[in-house]
Amino acid sequence: GAGVSQSPSNKVTEKGKDVELRCDPISGHTALYWYRQSLGQGLEFLIYFQGNSAPDKSGLPSDRFSAERTGGSVSTLTIQRTQQEDSAVYLCASSPGTGRETQYFGPGTRLLVL
Amino acid sequence: SQQGEEDPQALSIQEGENATMNCSYKTSINNLQWYRQNSGRGLVHLILIRSNEREKHSGRLRVTLDTSKKSSSLLITASRAADTASYFCATTLGGNNRLAFGKGNQVVVIP
Repeated sequence: GAGVSQSPSNKVTEKGKDVELRCDPISGHTALYWYRQSLGQGLEFLIYFQGNSAPDKSGLPSDRFSAERTGGSVSTLTIQRTQQEDSAVYLCASSPGTGRETQYFGPGTRLLVL
Repeated sequence: SQQGEEDPQALSIQEGENATMNCSYKTSINNLQWYRQNSGRGLVHLILIRSNEREKHSGRLRVTLDTSKKSSSLLITASRAADTASYFCATTLGGNNRLAFGKGNQVVVIP
């Protein structure tokens, strides 16, 4: 079956612009996670969705970052007024739900802020 | 903050040799998982070991867990060039199963 997909694969933007990153999880997976991977910080958790709710947003680095999930499926991570330190690979993962710990990752979106 | 820390950070071996990498963590865990990443993109789940397990095998992979030392090791036997990748350990924190990753090991298998 189809895995987790993310778009775009690569995004180059100018400092100060807003960007939207999309994640399509595996069909039927109720849990969805966003992580960020950067040279300086390694792999960091950003936000967790269960269905359309986000009970854990504790990893979002600032109020410029927000995310939503609709229909228990697609999720969008939005970064407003991008800064150079936002440059990273943004990874999305999904899992079947509570008690099923294995997460399935998408290929990531590589964001470069100039 | 990073939960796990692997040692060594980079490993270069000949094809056919075994590769061993370690991971340590700081808090109690539900389980510990190992992931592989090729070319800095998506992670692939390799194996999960629960806190009440001490050793687990999957194909050429062997994982050990020592909860008293808060450490784990991943052994890849009879390595192949295709095993060249970065390997991360990750622990789950809390009921939402969010992953806390270590810094990762870069493994290069020379044909």
